[in-house]
Amino acid sequence: KQEVTQIPAALSVPEGENLVLNCSFTDSAIYNLQWFRQDPGKGLTSLLLIQSSQREQTSGRLNASLDKSSGRSTLYIAASQPGDSATYLCAVGTYKYIFGTGTRLKVLA
Amino acid sequence: KAGVTQTPRYLIKTRGQQVTLSCSPISGHRSVSWYQQTPGQGLQFLFEYFSETQRNKGNFPGRFSGRQFSNSRSEMNVSTLELGDSALYLCASSRSGQAFTDTQYFGPGTRLTVL
Repeated sequence: KQEVTQIPAALSVPEGENLVLNCSFTDSAIYNLQWFRQDPGKGLTSLLLIQSSQREQTSGRLNASLDKSSGRSTLYIAASQPGDSATYLCAVGTYKYIFGTGTRLKVLA
Repeated sequence: KAGVTQTPRYLIKTRGQQVTLSCSPISGHRSVSWYQQTPGQGLQFLFEYFSETQRNKGNFPGRFSGRQFSNSRSEMNVSTLELGDSALYLCASSRSGQAFTDTQYFGPGTRLTVL
């Protein structure tokens, strides 16, 4: 049974810091991995989608990597800003999307 | 291009009642997935529809059901509501016929409170 874990559960950093969020999954048989952000009480916004054949994807200050063999993905956020404060969720695509429990990020001005 | 829309945004019901939630996908998207989000269980997959057919289903009781119409709009229904059904219900649409291989675009959700 696929299980997705995100560590840490919460993170507080000063503005301008570079940071890494982690996502681990137990079964490497995935189609892709997607990173989302969720603002309080809102829906999810897709940030990056990495296909299983890819190693990384970049969008602006965000870079996501995928290592299927080790069951790990990281989301790198460069030069963090207060507007980056949100919960970040990873989801692995099997026959459905299975979500991690999320990392709640707070960037302090 | 309009995003995924969900109605209503908020609902308050009492135990034993039933509820119907609606989701309109992005124009051109044919796959709609439903998720339940609670503080204790996180985001859990309910079901996915494509071309009016349920393609995948999560581990939820039969009280949870859904359907998709020919214009790709989808509804989900929960019968005999229980307190534990209180949650944020999220709908996501994707272009392809296999939602789990494609970028999913989420709506703002419907917040259901069961009293």
